[in-house]
This record gives sequence, structure tokens and C-alpha cells, in this order.
Amino acid sequence: DIQMTQSPSSLSASVGDRVTITCRASQGIRNDLGWYQQKPGKAPKRLIYAASSLQSGVPSRFSGSASGTEFTLTISSLQPEDFATYYCLQHNSYPWTFGQGTKVEIK
Amino acid sequence: EVQLVQSGAEVKKPGESLKISCQGSGYSFTSYWIGWVRQMPGKGLEWMGIIYPGDSDTKYSPSFQGQVTISADKSITTAYLQWSSLKASDTAMYYCARRPFDGSYLSPDYWGQGTLVTVSS
Repeated sequence: DIQMTQSPSSLSASVGDRVTITCRASQGIRNDLGWYQQKPGKAPKRLIYAASSLQSGVPSRFSGSASGTEFTLTISSLQPEDFATYYCLQHNSYPWTFGQGTKVEIK
Repeated sequence: EVQLVQSGAEVKKPGESLKISCQGSGYSFTSYWIGWVRQMPGKGLEWMGIIYPGDSDTKYSPSFQGQVTISADKSITTAYLQWSSLKASDTAMYYCARRPFDGSYLSPDYWGQGTLVTVSS
């Protein structure tokens, strides 16, 4: 199975901060990775697909990048509505695997 | 408009059986894989398995193989997740999600609203 190691598990940040979340795959997954935002009591929402493509309707402050087996989600200027938990998901091979999640909290 | 609508919350006793559903609309149901994801209380997301309604090809996570059954009825554009004997540890929110294809397969885009399953004696 492919392991997805996501870091950090949580972070505290202020509105306007630049935030970076990383997922490292245990083996190559090409660009078969998505990033999701989940708010309490809600279903996950896709932000990024194919590692770096922005989902339609998602603000441009969100971006994704990849370098080998390391994938990064960046929020360029954190907004109040961005406080949530973020997950990566690899779908390159079965079983698919999620990262452990990163909870972004208000500083 | 693409929609995945899941069945309502369930409260069951250990040992009981259960089948929850996910009805797709607004797209060609038989042409997209539908996956299931578990979220235990206060925990992260876990991928359980996926089905292609067009031919019922199904893949399971080893963690869930033999514990649940995923199926689909294309005549009513509905996917299912079922248990034959529930345990307290099956208490969780369960989500279905559609896997799109745009030249290549992508990560799930549309998600159901979730079905909360509570198993308690």
C-alpha cells in the first residue's frame, strides 16, 4: 500500500498568513493526488486535483504543487473561512490512501 | 446538476445488518466510479472501496475487505454499502463520492452529504 505522510498535523495561523501543508508519498504516484477541505459536520470539498489543478469555483489563493513524491498545498493569504481540516488523497493505485489531515486553527 | 444523495442516519444494535444508499443524478451513473469513505468520530478520512456501476467491478481496501459489501443498482442509479453484522466500531459517518474522468481518472469531485451510522446496544 502507498503511505501518505501529511504534515503538520495541526497549525495555528493568523488571517493573512501564508500556509503550507505537505504530503509525501511512499512511492511514485505521478500526479494522482487531490487536496480536500473539510469543515465540521460537512462533506469534504475538493480544492485541487491532479496535484496542481484548481477546482472550479475555488479561490485562487489555493494552489497545489508537486516535486517527485512530495506534494504541497499552499494558501497564499489565509482567510477566516479557510479554518478547517485539510486532507490529501492519492488515487494512483488501490487501496487509495488519505493523509492523516492537517487542522488549521486561528492563532 | 450532479448530485449524490445519501440515505438518512441509522441507529442499530450490534449484530444487526444494514444497507445504506447513495443515489446519483445529473450525470451518466454507469460511466463513473463511486467510492465509499469512512470517518470515525473525531478522526480522519479512510477509503473503503469503489464500484463501477457499469459492470459492477469493485475494489476494496484490505482494511474493509470481508467486512462490508459494496454494490450498485444501475436501474435506479444507486450505490450501496452494506454490513451483515454490525459492530460498535462501525459507528461513523460514511460518505460516497464520484470519481470523474477527463482524459484520465481524477480524484473524487462530487460527494454525498454523508450517512451517520450509530451502533450501540
